[in-house]
Amino acid sequence: NAGVTQTPKFQVLKTGQSMTLQCAQDMNHEYMSWYRQDPGMGLRLIHYSVGAGITDQGEVPNGYNVSRSTTEDFPLRLLSAAPSQTSVYFCASRTGKPYEQYFGPGTRLTVT
Amino acid sequence: EDKVVQSPLSLVVHEGDTVTLNCSYEVTNFRSLLWYKQEKKAPTFLFMLTSSGIEKKSGRLSSILDKKELFSILNITATQTGDSAVYLCAVVRNSGNTPLVFGKGTRLSVIA
Repeated sequence: NAGVTQTPKFQVLKTGQSMTLQCAQDMNHEYMSWYRQDPGMGLRLIHYSVGAGITDQGEVPNGYNVSRSTTEDFPLRLLSAAPSQTSVYFCASRTGKPYEQYFGPGTRLTVT
Repeated sequence: EDKVVQSPLSLVVHEGDTVTLNCSYEVTNFRSLLWYKQEKKAPTFLFMLTSSGIEKKSGRLSSILDKKELFSILNITATQTGDSAVYLCAVVRNSGNTPLVFGKGTRLSVIA
């Protein structure tokens, strides 16, 4: 199993550009989440999904969209990038047992 | 509002020291508490605690939960430079579909 994969690993965007961060898992997990991590702020939840076709907002959803058309994929879209979205983004997936939450390797995004 | 507070935010110790990291929480429908270690990349799972007073142990790391006083501690004995990391605490709520609530983390630096 590849586990949770994220692409790209690094990205630089200009203000106003859009892009999609990809996340995929091959463990047949129902639950998937997107977090952003900023210095001194810990992990903050952006959006999450409890299954294909079902998504919900987390703590900091503004400026981001998600969809979950398949169990495996959970892309995060930035509609119009802003410098405040400069961060490290982690995708995670888990089974119904909460401790089995696996994190992807992260995407470091810089918006100039 | 549910919250998880970790202290201290950062800590510098010498190799061989013993450290105690704290995590307090105020959440509705508490189910369990998780500890993660995050080095350069994604968090990795350490412990899950569900019952009060039962110590979980893994090598030099141990953790315990107090559900009456709403906190957990993570102890690391005989620290090594490889213990340097951010330690994250997260709480799982009983309403099964809701994601984890993370604290901001404690950054531990162990110097030789």
